Amino acid sequence: QKEVEQNSGPLSVPEGAIASLNCTYSDRGSQSFFWYRQYSGKSPELIMFIYSNGDKEDGRFTAQLNKASQYVSLLIRDSQPSDSATYLCAVNTPSGDMRFGAGTRLTVKP
Amino acid sequence: DAMVIQNPRYQVTQFGKPVTLSCSQTLNHNVMYWYQQKSSQAPKLLFHYYDKDFNNEADTPDNFQSRRPNTSFCFLDIRSPGLGDAAMYLCATSRAYGQDQPQHFGDGTRLSIL
Repeated sequence: QKEVEQNSGPLSVPEGAIASLNCTYSDRGSQSFFWYRQYSGKSPELIMFIYSNGDKEDGRFTAQLNKASQYVSLLIRDSQPSDSATYLCAVNTPSGDMRFGAGTRLTVKP
Repeated sequence: DAMVIQNPRYQVTQFGKPVTLSCSQTLNHNVMYWYQQKSSQAPKLLFHYYDKDFNNEADTPDNFQSRRPNTSFCFLDIRSPGLGDAAMYLCATSRAYGQDQPQHFGDGTRLSIL
């Protein structure tokens, strides 16, 4: 089992819709979770992080964490074409290493 | 302003010819990381330093070495690059180890092997 799993996509949504990105992780002891956005040929850019169960909102982005289910998600409201990118889920393991998922490619169509 | 700077952005080398990639940071972070990322794959951690304490991932090939001469700089040396080493190499920093420490990435160096 991979440490961090994401649907590879591609996920395609129309402009203005909600995009929902999902991630599961295997190490139950993990405590902090990060979402990075990566445009093609560019480096990952931190969007949000979440430590506590529940929702955390930042502008159009909402991260959701359910530690019991070992599940973290990212919602993007009012999706824009500029949101088209690969979204990487990252988990800090109890040893402090960060493990990345392979990413979900999102396309927002005008 | 760029805070984690990688040079060069693109590097082409010949099969078997040593190559060095560099990373510098202005964040004064204690931890520096090197990742390898191949197309459509997750970034794979190669090494990390806390200050000068070096940590090698178990599956990092011996062909890959790293140096951190001071807080600001870190280098990745590939002694004899093979075709399978063509990838994007990402440098990242964090203030410390720990569960609440996000990593900040440079723009990466894309390495091609002829």
